[in-house]
Amino acid sequence: GQQVMQIPQYQHVQEGEDFTTYCNSSTTLSNIQWYKQRPGGHPVFLIQLVKSGEVKKQKRLTFQFGEAKKNSSLHITATQTTDVGTYFCAGPPGNTGKLIFGQGTTLQVKP
Amino acid sequence: EPEVTQTPSHQVTQMGQEVILHCVPISNHLYFYWYRQILGQKVEFLVSFYNNEISEKSEIFDDQFSVERPDGSNFTLKIRSTKLEDSAMYFCASSIEIHYNEQFFGPGTRLTVL
Repeated sequence: GQQVMQIPQYQHVQEGEDFTTYCNSSTTLSNIQWYKQRPGGHPVFLIQLVKSGEVKKQKRLTFQFGEAKKNSSLHITATQTTDVGTYFCAGPPGNTGKLIFGQGTTLQVKP
Repeated sequence: EPEVTQTPSHQVTQMGQEVILHCVPISNHLYFYWYRQILGQKVEFLVSFYNNEISEKSEIFDDQFSVERPDGSNFTLKIRSTKLEDSAMYFCASSIEIHYNEQFFGPGTRLTVL
């Protein structure tokens, strides 16, 4: 079945540094979604990318969807302590509503 | 802002006992899901539900699991005979559409099986 891999598993940065997490799917995705989970919290939707090569920005966050629609990345510029949490990518296998999540990248930000 | 609610927040049970986890999806959503997350691991899909029937289920969702929408608002997950390995956080989610649509997750129920 479809597998979604994310690297790195953990990232510790100093506040103000940039952060990137990478997501790779074993199969082509119709879309990819990114979620953030704060410690002790639940996944919260950040964004969805649908088109090949799509780039979307949300303030300091930049999301990219690869040309082959099999990989994606999330880049945070100038991290803040409020960025702490685990970032998951997730994609639906085929024409389905279920989401296959990556393992997540846990971001720690040192003030 | 509308949100998905789940009760209880924490459920402790003995191995072999039945548990029912409760969810109230967002009122105008049509698609409902259950996911689970074992501590420190990724979120895993269990089942999706639409129009009063299961749309899709994962290998985890075996005969011990069932879902129901007993009325117009609640969506339940039942585990008939709990095992130690069922200990996890269970998240309910809902969405307006099934494709190309964000899923709204509830706060989760932490299930501890002793």
